[in-house]
Amino acid sequence: GESVGLHLPTLSVQEGDNSIINCAYSNSASDYFIWYKQESGKGPQFIIDIRSNMDKRQGQRVTVLLNKTVKHLSLQIAATQPGDSAVYFCAENPAGGTSYGKLTFGQGTILTVHP
Amino acid sequence: KAGVTQTPRYLIKTRGQQVTLSCSPISGHRSVSWYQQTPGQGLQFLFEYFSETQRNKGNFPGRFSGRQFSNSRSEMNVSTLELGDSALYLCATKGTVDNYGYTFGSGTRLTVV
Repeated sequence: GESVGLHLPTLSVQEGDNSIINCAYSNSASDYFIWYKQESGKGPQFIIDIRSNMDKRQGQRVTVLLNKTVKHLSLQIAATQPGDSAVYFCAENPAGGTSYGKLTFGQGTILTVHP
Repeated sequence: KAGVTQTPRYLIKTRGQQVTLSCSPISGHRSVSWYQQTPGQGLQFLFEYFSETQRNKGNFPGRFSGRQFSNSRSEMNVSTLELGDSALYLCATKGTVDNYGYTFGSGTRLTVV
């Protein structure tokens, strides 16, 4: 889940398990959502995105679910691998002209995968 | 295609100085956004440029400014540096027809001493 402040939520799993990372977004006007993975010393890396007219989208080993009713987003990673260990961020982008380039990020979740 | 290039990767400055960071977008990307990342505040939006025009701005003081050139390369400037400006500064670029979201560079790590 999401947290505000210095303490990021953590998720620890075993290699091969499925992982679910949750995110509560704030703006009901948001119409575009992205999940990013950030490894130490690197910039955020795009994982998957979804628009508000969808409730599920699948990629390679990843699935994003969107529940607009409760403003909730989740990222599911199948068969988690040690290389998936990183900080995961959800980001939202409201519709409309005032949203140009402006992604609002969650605080992030630290995923640790044990071999 | 080449990714988003940010220079320099690391920078150490003294309080009161100013600094300029550079971001070269993916070829064809015309939108460049800047973000500040700190452990306490996370990723926060600074501003966005498109075709040399600032289209959007976050809630940062006027010491933070930016510009974009005709080749879409962007610079951000921070004047009168404060200790609290120490952060990872990231830029993200987006192509007008790109459906894959915003692509980030690796960032510039700024340390103010």
